[in-house]
Amino acid sequence: GEDVEQSLFLSVREGDSSVINCTYTDSSSTYLYWYKQEPGAGLQLLTYIFSNMDMKQDQRLTVLLNKKDKHLSLRIADTQTGDSAIYFCAESRGSGGYNKLIFGAGTRLAVHP
Amino acid sequence: NAGVTQTPKFQVLKTGQSMTLQCAQDMNHNSMYWYRQDPGMGLRLIYYSASEGTTDKGEVPNGYNVSRLNKREFSLRLESAAPSQTSVYFCASSEVPAEAFFGQGTRLTVV
Repeated sequence: GEDVEQSLFLSVREGDSSVINCTYTDSSSTYLYWYKQEPGAGLQLLTYIFSNMDMKQDQRLTVLLNKKDKHLSLRIADTQTGDSAIYFCAESRGSGGYNKLIFGAGTRLAVHP
Repeated sequence: NAGVTQTPKFQVLKTGQSMTLQCAQDMNHNSMYWYRQDPGMGLRLIYYSASEGTTDKGEVPNGYNVSRLNKREFSLRLESAAPSQTSVYFCASSEVPAEAFFGQGTRLTVV
């Protein structure tokens, strides 16, 4: 995931908002994704955003995309202990009718009382 | 609906041994992927298959081979395991350009 960068760790208090940031390098990426990984489990898609959008909101999740700066963020409102996990940013690079996902290193979110 | 199924879930190999990781999906997806996950490095793409009958190298293909046996199955083979291949391996499938679905992972230790 060397082309997609994230900070490795974030600690927040329960009830506060969490903001996880990501930068990517391929300006032609069509889709950008946020995945969540709980301990011992595979990755689950949280949300995604098309590259022609600036913002997407889905319940407690807000995704902001700044194409000029190639910056993507995920805001989790009212963070709960169940949100503790590793969050991966990923960009979709496609050609010839298929895509492959390139992931960042993941941000470990710790939620404390 | 099983989604993406990987076997085995855990494996310990001695250096130089070979093994095949199996992956099957029941969602009729065209694209399938193998990733490895290492601490602090996220997921790195080993190989992918855009469609049945095609495979391509990802970021870290050395030491691995793959077979897209049919549309459902995509296997990853280690011919001569090395300690550097100790990792958690994930298989995924997707239908362009939507989300990728991941298996539960195979935790491999090479001693």
